[in-house]
Amino acid sequence: AQSVAQPEDQVNVAEGNPLTVKCTYSVSGNPYLFWYVQYPNRGLQFLLKYITGDNLVKGSYGFEAEFNKSQTSFHLKKPSALVSDSALYFCAVRDGYNFNKFYFGSGTKLNVKP
Amino acid sequence: NAGVTQTPKFRILKIGQSMTLQCTQDMNHNYMYWYRQDPGMGLKLIYYSVGAGITDKGEVPNGYNVSRSTTEDFPLRLELAAPSQTSVYFCASTPLQTDTQYFGPGTRLTVL
Repeated sequence: AQSVAQPEDQVNVAEGNPLTVKCTYSVSGNPYLFWYVQYPNRGLQFLLKYITGDNLVKGSYGFEAEFNKSQTSFHLKKPSALVSDSALYFCAVRDGYNFNKFYFGSGTKLNVKP
Repeated sequence: NAGVTQTPKFRILKIGQSMTLQCTQDMNHNYMYWYRQDPGMGLKLIYYSVGAGITDKGEVPNGYNVSRSTTEDFPLRLELAAPSQTSVYFCASTPLQTDTQYFGPGTRLTVL
């Protein structure tokens, strides 16, 4: 079965410090992985995706993610957190058999304190 | 471009009532999706469409119906509302299967 796990409900980090939001996945075939961000009362916004190629993917707002095939992980990172990065972050994976289906993690709330 | 628009923003239904959640996109995307987001949970796929006239079930289709008569519109129908359908509903679209999804602002539905 295809699935995505985000093991941390919440991540707290001080402004200026590096941040990591964790994601592990289970999918048959080649993984197509995504990160989205959701601000309060808004729809999800795309941050970055991994389809193939370089394991380090760079995305919007200074975020990047590292794909690790052996650990089936796709952790979201940022070298220096901003208070405005505080939001809900979702990892998603495309179904390995039915390319029209996507599975989302339960979300991680990122709190960046001044 | 307005992107993906959803109406209404909020709605309260009584058990057994029916309603249609509207979704429209102006980006000429072939693929459209309906998700529900329950508190503390990720998004669950309800239905999706790969083009006008073609729809299929997602993970949690029970209690819902969809149609896709045009490229732009993808309405979601609740026939007999139940408290378990209290959720936030998001519509999304994408031009390609592997591409990013563009999400609407959501509809917050409460069934009492």
